[in-house]
Amino acid sequence: GENVEQHPSTLSVQEGDSAVIKCTYSDSASNYFPWYKQELGKGPQLIIDIRSNVGEKKDQRIAVTLNKTAKHFSLHITETQPEDSAVYFCAASIPHRDDMRFGAGTRLTVKP
Amino acid sequence: DVKVTQSSRYLVKRTGEKVFLECVQDMDHENMFWYRQDPGLGLRLIYFSYDVKMKEKGDIPEGYSVSREKKERFSLILESASTNQTSMYLCASSPIPSDREGYTFGSGTRLTVV
Repeated sequence: GENVEQHPSTLSVQEGDSAVIKCTYSDSASNYFPWYKQELGKGPQLIIDIRSNVGEKKDQRIAVTLNKTAKHFSLHITETQPEDSAVYFCAASIPHRDDMRFGAGTRLTVKP
Repeated sequence: DVKVTQSSRYLVKRTGEKVFLECVQDMDHENMFWYRQDPGLGLRLIYFSYDVKMKEKGDIPEGYSVSREKKERFSLILESASTNQTSMYLCASSPIPSDREGYTFGSGTRLTVV
């Protein structure tokens, strides 16, 4: 079945720096890759997603890239701010089922 | 504002108790999911439902059951709670197909079994 690995598990950056979180997936038939942000005391919230027919997608300071050949995708946050501090989860769709497999999460800390 | 509401933020139950976790969504979504969140393990799917009275096992269904009698409500049941079920439980919903707008999660229920 689909397996999603996420790295790093923790990431600490200075305010204004960039942060990159990477995920790999195992099933080449997966075609949808969302990213979720979970702030303290809240449920995960969708922040950006990408489909398999697209290589890159941007939304202001957030971008996601997808390499289908290598089966990996990454989240890029530029000009980080303290409010970006949270746990981030990647996910990959499970072929032939309408659900997803999640990575283990990355705790991002942005130091002022 | 669309919402997934979980009935309790914190619960403390005793070993052997039957525990009900309730989730309600107001978005008319067909899919509903129950996940368990543990440090270092991410989100693991317990059960999901794509329609009223329909359910599918996820990756870790042992020790759990679910009920979906109405479209908006999805209940997770721990038949006999054990200490290894101490965890954060997250409910989510989505339309069909789920990649149309992704999942909407509730705020979670932190369950402690003593």
